[in-house]
Amino acid sequence: GDSVTQMEGPVTLSEEAFLTINCTYTATGYPSLFWYVQYPGEGLQLLLKATKADDKGSNKGFEATYRKETTSFHLEKGSVQVSDSAVYFCALSGYNQGGKLIFGQGTELSVKP
Amino acid sequence: EAGVAQSPRYKIIEKRQSVAFWCNPISGHATLYWYQQILGQGPKLLIQFQNNGVVDDSQLPKDRFSAERLKGVDSTLKIQPAKLEDSAVYLCASSLLQEGTQYFGPGTRLLVL
Repeated sequence: GDSVTQMEGPVTLSEEAFLTINCTYTATGYPSLFWYVQYPGEGLQLLLKATKADDKGSNKGFEATYRKETTSFHLEKGSVQVSDSAVYFCALSGYNQGGKLIFGQGTELSVKP
Repeated sequence: EAGVAQSPRYKIIEKRQSVAFWCNPISGHATLYWYQQILGQGPKLLIQFQNNGVVDDSQLPKDRFSAERLKGVDSTLKIQPAKLEDSAVYLCASSLLQEGTQYFGPGTRLLVL
């Protein structure tokens, strides 16, 4: 069945370090890919999305590129801040999934000053 | 624009008791989702509504869980009787279209003792 696999956390970085969180997927059809972020005590917020192969989603300095050939959607940021500390979820959704989101297990990011 | 509203934010009950959660989606959003997020895991779909009709309830434990969406707007999710393994965050999300971007509420954190 359709699934999303993320790198395990927690990931601990110093402020201004480079961030990569790996995400790979298995899916039927041509789903859209998403990164959601969950700050402590809050609900899920959409961070960025890409709807087709080779699209790059970007927001707040974060980027991810839809790579169909490697079935990946890795999240990157050039310089993280303490305020980026949160749990990040990779997800997919599309016509073949009936519109529902299929999430990875989440990766906790902790950024130290 | 107001976001997705959920209540209560927290609930503690004993096993075998019943509990109900309420969700008010973004105005005009036809599709409403309930997800269950167990600690350390990504959210998993319980039920999906399109207006007031059920699209997907294949992962809903129907012997104890029920949900309704009256008049295609608000929705209620009920658990009766609750089990220890129902301890989780229950997230409500809505989207304008069935395959559109989903917006999440803050969630209801349930603890079953």
